[in-house]
Amino acid sequence: EDKVVQSPLSLVVHEGDTVTLNCSYEVTNFRSLLWYKQEKKAPTFLFMLTSSGIEKKSGRLSSILDKKELFSILNITATQTGDSAVYLCAVSPGSARQLTFGSGTQLTVLP
Amino acid sequence: NAGVTQTPKFQVLKTGQSMTLQCAQDMNHEYMSWYRQDPGMGLRLIHYSVGAGITDQGEVPNGYNVSRSTTEDFPLRLLSAAPSQTSVYFCASTAAWGGNEQFFGPGTRLTVL
Repeated sequence: EDKVVQSPLSLVVHEGDTVTLNCSYEVTNFRSLLWYKQEKKAPTFLFMLTSSGIEKKSGRLSSILDKKELFSILNITATQTGDSAVYLCAVSPGSARQLTFGSGTQLTVLP
Repeated sequence: NAGVTQTPKFQVLKTGQSMTLQCAQDMNHEYMSWYRQDPGMGLRLIHYSVGAGITDQGEVPNGYNVSRSTTEDFPLRLLSAAPSQTSVYFCASTAAWGGNEQFFGPGTRLTVL
């Protein structure tokens, strides 16, 4: 059975801090790992990772995948209150399009 | 493009009632999925479809039916609602080409009394 574990479950930081969110996974025939941001509504796509060691970057957010150790991290630098959200990690097996999600990390950024 | 649309946004049912949650996408995506999200949990896959006329079960299919008569529409039916089905339901679609990025609808918040 595919499994995705995210840590920490919740995190409270102050504006300007840097945070690292973790995602470990077990999946049959791995295809890709995806990160989503969810702010009390539908998840919005952040990154998709398929290859080890290649960092994906978008502004203050970046993510990297380690397919040998079966984990990914999402980094957010210089956090802002608008970064407050649940961050979801999901994996996709093989040629399927279905996603298995972790339970998410609740990030709260205080002013 | 409207993307993925869902109706209704909110619904309250009594135990035993049936209803259909509607989902439509205008991106000509082959793959569509239904997820439920409960407090403190990520999204769990209910049913999915890889194209018109083809559906399959996900992780938590019991109590739900789906059909896919057209590429655009993927309704989710609750046959006899139970309080355990109180949740937020998201529909998503993905293109057959390219990566696995799923586009999510705005969600339906369902309460079963």
